Amino acid sequence: SAVISQKPSRDICQRGTSLTIQCQVDSQVTMMFWYRQQPGQSLTLIATANQGSEATYESGFVIDKFPISRPNLTFSTLTVSNMSPEDSSIYLCSVEVGMNTEAFFGQGTRLTVV
Amino acid sequence: QQQVKQSPQSLIVQKGGISIINCAYENTAFDYFPWYQQFPGKGPALLIAIRPDVSEKKEGRFTISFNKSAKQFSLHIMDSQPGDSATYFCAAGTQMKYIFGTGTRLKVLA
Repeated sequence: SAVISQKPSRDICQRGTSLTIQCQVDSQVTMMFWYRQQPGQSLTLIATANQGSEATYESGFVIDKFPISRPNLTFSTLTVSNMSPEDSSIYLCSVEVGMNTEAFFGQGTRLTVV
Repeated sequence: QQQVKQSPQSLIVQKGGISIINCAYENTAFDYFPWYQQFPGKGPALLIAIRPDVSEKKEGRFTISFNKSAKQFSLHIMDSQPGDSATYFCAAGTQMKYIFGTGTRLKVLA
């Protein structure tokens, strides 16, 4: 398994501002992913954070709104830009560990936009 | 073709009973089917997973049954305990990109 730390754990932000969420893993991992979980809903993949190249975004998500950095094999950031109340969600970092392609999740960042 | 349908939406089971949650997928390219358990305020925790080359996998009280021809898989929780009360998500995917089901809120009565 892997220990995944996300910061901040929660935040309340004003609309129009941006928030950067950090994801730190205790070991080097090839694959890192960012998910969104809207209140009472399931998880939706936002993008794959690729080390050394641009992130790969899923349909409905764009780089201008959710810029992602992956400077090394243990760290990634997700920025939620120009926030609106509709961005209020839990944002989760996920990593692949081991040969069985098991995915592990961080505790999530609970974002409320007012 | 990218949906994963999960049922029931909620489930109430007596302590010691069997909890059964079902999922159906559409994309035949999916080759990994994990189940996650999520407690309030926590991230999802991997519970058990299966690949399509086997029809059943058991770990302790948790069993996945997999029907490749029907494109369905299910989670069985034997001897359900109040501590199992949580939201359960199935997922399906390939190369680490998962589509999640809508979740089942399980409540086990003491």
